[in-house]
Amino acid sequence: QQPVQSPQAVILREGEDAVINCSSSKALYSVHWYRQKHGEAPVFLMILLKGGEQKGHDKISASFNEKKQQSSLYLTASQLSYSGTYFCGTANAGNMLTFGGGTRLMVKP
Amino acid sequence: ETGVTQSPTHLIKTRGQQVTLRCSSQSGHNTVSWYQQALGQGPQFIFQYYREEENGRGNFPPRFSGLQFPNYSSELNVNALELDDSALYLCASSGDPVVTDTQYFGPGTRLTVL
Repeated sequence: QQPVQSPQAVILREGEDAVINCSSSKALYSVHWYRQKHGEAPVFLMILLKGGEQKGHDKISASFNEKKQQSSLYLTASQLSYSGTYFCGTANAGNMLTFGGGTRLMVKP
Repeated sequence: ETGVTQSPTHLIKTRGQQVTLRCSSQSGHNTVSWYQQALGQGPQFIFQYYREEENGRGNFPPRFSGLQFPNYSSELNVNALELDDSALYLCASSGDPVVTDTQYFGPGTRLTVL
C-alpha cells in the first residue's frame, strides 16, 4: 500500500517555508525523499532510517516519527530551484521502495 | 550525475510488440531496481535484481521480465505491449539490499505504445 502525501500541490513565493507530509498505514523501516523536475529522473534528497531521526542539508530537512508512521519534509526559505515534485518512498526489508503520489511544489519569484 | 545510465532515451512501439530496455548501474553497486512511472504519478516498483537473481517483484504481470548480468547491468523486457504500458521506465542502482541503502536513479526511458 502506497504512502499518502499531503498536500498534493503547493505554491510558494521565494523565501517562504513549506512542509510536505508522508503517512503510511504500515510500519516503516525507512523513508526516502526525492525531488523530480519535469522530464528528469528523481534526485535523492535524504534517507531516514529510524524513528526520531532528523536530517537536513542546506535549508531542506526531514523528520521521521516511527510511532505515527509518518515523515515530514521541511523546506525553509524556499528558492526557485526547489520547484518540482517531491516524492516520499517507504522501504521494506529488501530495500524495495513504494512511492507516494507526489507533492507538486512551485516557487514563484 | 548519478553514474546510472539507461538506453534508449525514447522508444515508440505498437500494441503487441516486445521491448527491451537497458540499465548500467553505478560503479560498486550490485542491485538494480526497476520502476514504472505513469504521467503525473509516483514511480511504481516492478522488480529488483541482486547478483543476477530476481530478489523481489511488485504487482506486475509475467510479461514484464528482467535480467541482470555479471557486471550488474540489467535489462527490462516487456512482451505483448499494451497501451497502458506507456510510461517513463526508471532503473535505480544501490548496494546490498540486506541493508537500507540509497537508490540512485538513471534518466529513464520514455516508452510510448501506439
